[in-house]
Amino acid sequence: ETGVTQSPTHLIKTRGQQVTLRCSSQSGHNTVSWYQQALGQGPQFIFQYYREEENGRGNFPPRFSGLQFPNYSSELNVNALELDDSALYLCASRSSDSYGYTFGSGTRLTVV
Amino acid sequence: SQQGEEDPQALSIQEGENATMNCSYKTSINNLQWYRQNSGRGLVHLILIRSNEREKHSGRLRVTLDTSKKSSSLLITASRAADTASYFCATAVTSGTYKYIFGTGTRLKVLA
Repeated sequence: ETGVTQSPTHLIKTRGQQVTLRCSSQSGHNTVSWYQQALGQGPQFIFQYYREEENGRGNFPPRFSGLQFPNYSSELNVNALELDDSALYLCASRSSDSYGYTFGSGTRLTVV
Repeated sequence: SQQGEEDPQALSIQEGENATMNCSYKTSINNLQWYRQNSGRGLVHLILIRSNEREKHSGRLRVTLDTSKKSSSLLITASRAADTASYFCATAVTSGTYKYIFGTGTRLKVLA
């Protein structure tokens, strides 16, 4: 059991750029969710993938997109970055027979 | 949008005292979970309570759920300085897709 790992841990990008955040799910977990957490706020659901298919999406624009790979690792891509995209991005995974999510430590994205 | 609202937003207590935080939510749920977050990093799953359960215990944690009032409480007994963290409730909603919606969090500070 290796847990959920995210990379990079910190990232600074310029407004208008594109960014890719990566997540390696815990072994045996086929469901991954991504969350955005602004400072002082609770995590906001971005989207969820189950066996490489997106099966849920929160209230985020299409410039937020994702992928889940056969080994259940995943990516979050954000295009045309805006200053308000600055946040902690959290990846969480779980298995089909479990309700509890295992979270990664997050990627702190700063858009300047 | 936030499904859950925690109350209080912030709580400061002395070591050894009990800490109680509450969560209210809006829609019908499948289950409710509590998570802890230290210093803006990843969230740690604490406890899950299903919609047909009223109370659950795990070590120093006690969770109650009142589906008629759409509310839950988390009690931490005999608090320790290491319990200092933010605590979030997350409700599992099944409208469209199975996903978790987090509340706004309670920031707990335990003074030694």
